[in-house]
Amino acid sequence: AQTVTQSQPEMSVQEAETVTLSCTYDTSESDYYLFWYKQPPSRQMILVIRQEAYKQQNATENRFSVNFQKAAKSFSLKISDSQLGDAAMYFCAYRSLRDDKIIFGKGTRLHILP
Amino acid sequence: GAGVSQSPSNKVTEKGKDVELRCDPISGHTALYWYRQSLGQGLEFLIYFQGNSAPDKSGLPSDRFSAERTGGSVSTLTIQRTQQEDSAVYLCASSLVGRGLETQYFGPGTRLLVL
Repeated sequence: AQTVTQSQPEMSVQEAETVTLSCTYDTSESDYYLFWYKQPPSRQMILVIRQEAYKQQNATENRFSVNFQKAAKSFSLKISDSQLGDAAMYFCAYRSLRDDKIIFGKGTRLHILP
Repeated sequence: GAGVSQSPSNKVTEKGKDVELRCDPISGHTALYWYRQSLGQGLEFLIYFQGNSAPDKSGLPSDRFSAERTGGSVSTLTIQRTQQEDSAVYLCASSLVGRGLETQYFGPGTRLLVL
């Protein structure tokens, strides 16, 4: 079974600085999809960024980018120019092509220091 | 409505009672998911509905949990004989067809507290 591991329960970053959240996963599949979701205090989960495993180019969405290392099964999220509104729980997620189920990690709580 | 809605937003119940949690997905979305988020934990997959296919119930933690989706739209998650360990936030999400890179749209969740 697939698993998703986020090894950093909490992180802090100074406003305007850059922070990287780590995510590793375990799978025997060669093709799949990876996601980062953000959950602010309002509890509303929002998609941040997504990546198809067969694409080597790292996905980028404005200040958010990923470092996808397929061989290492690593999918880290980089947030540049951190803003106070980035404070939230961030969840890494894996979707299998086989059954379309989405497996989430336990999350990383990101604090932004003014 | 424009997004996924869930009701109630908060529910307090006594141990042993049954509860029903409701999810209204985005209109036209054929895929619907239920997750449980316990304190300090990630999202635990519970059940997945995709169109008219049989639901994937592989995440339901016990036979006290059940869910149905009527008319391919509204879904109800029922927990019978609630236990204190059932206390959590229950999140519902929907997506257009439930495949690939599709975005899941989440509701605000129902916070369940079992006393």
